[in-house]
Amino acid sequence: GAVVSQHPSRVICKSGTSVKIECRSLDFQATTMFWYRQFPKQSLMLMATSNEGSKATYEQGVEKDKFLINHASLTLSTLTVTSAHPEDSSFYICSARVRGIGTIYFGEGSWLTVV
Amino acid sequence: GENVEQHPSTLSVQEGDSAVIKCTYSDSASNYFPWYKQELGKGPQLIIDIRSNVGEKKDQRIAVTLNKTAKHFSLHITETQPEDSAVYFCAAGPNAGGTSYGKLTFGQGTILTVHP
Repeated sequence: GAVVSQHPSRVICKSGTSVKIECRSLDFQATTMFWYRQFPKQSLMLMATSNEGSKATYEQGVEKDKFLINHASLTLSTLTVTSAHPEDSSFYICSARVRGIGTIYFGEGSWLTVV
Repeated sequence: GENVEQHPSTLSVQEGDSAVIKCTYSDSASNYFPWYKQELGKGPQLIIDIRSNVGEKKDQRIAVTLNKTAKHFSLHITETQPEDSAVYFCAAGPNAGGTSYGKLTFGQGTILTVHP
């Protein structure tokens, strides 16, 4: 299947700092990318939908100023967790929708730990 | 919005047996139904998907069936192997047009354990 690369896979940061997570579609163009958060033993919670060249659409309850999303090209979307706090520690996963086909593939996820 | 219910939450089978996981959805606008396998600490891996213009799809030991009228779809794994052990998620969403283009709603997940 198609490959979605997420980087970094693990990151530890200090409280108050910002962290950027990248999501790349390696062998296809993705007009839409999605960012999820997953808590242990729970399902995926959609945070925002990112469309190339336009502003992201955030789900209810997700702070757009805290979770900055940029989708600058058809193969790259970034999530920046600003002024991170320990409660932001989580598993963040992106997915990408294959342009023209619609199949959705996920990245490997990024573990964020805020200390 | 869409609501997806998935059952069972846990499923334990013996190697070689079949496993069936069922999901229901609420939004008739949903027309794309993927299934993902997630291993511990990893991202979900697409294992099979089905669109609303077909009722069944097979890929080796994995099959998915869709009943649009009843709004339910199921994952069938035959001849299960220990390496099939993982968490399985169903999802539903619109896949063509509209503001929710490609947005998936996930089920709660099923922990499948295949005993050797």
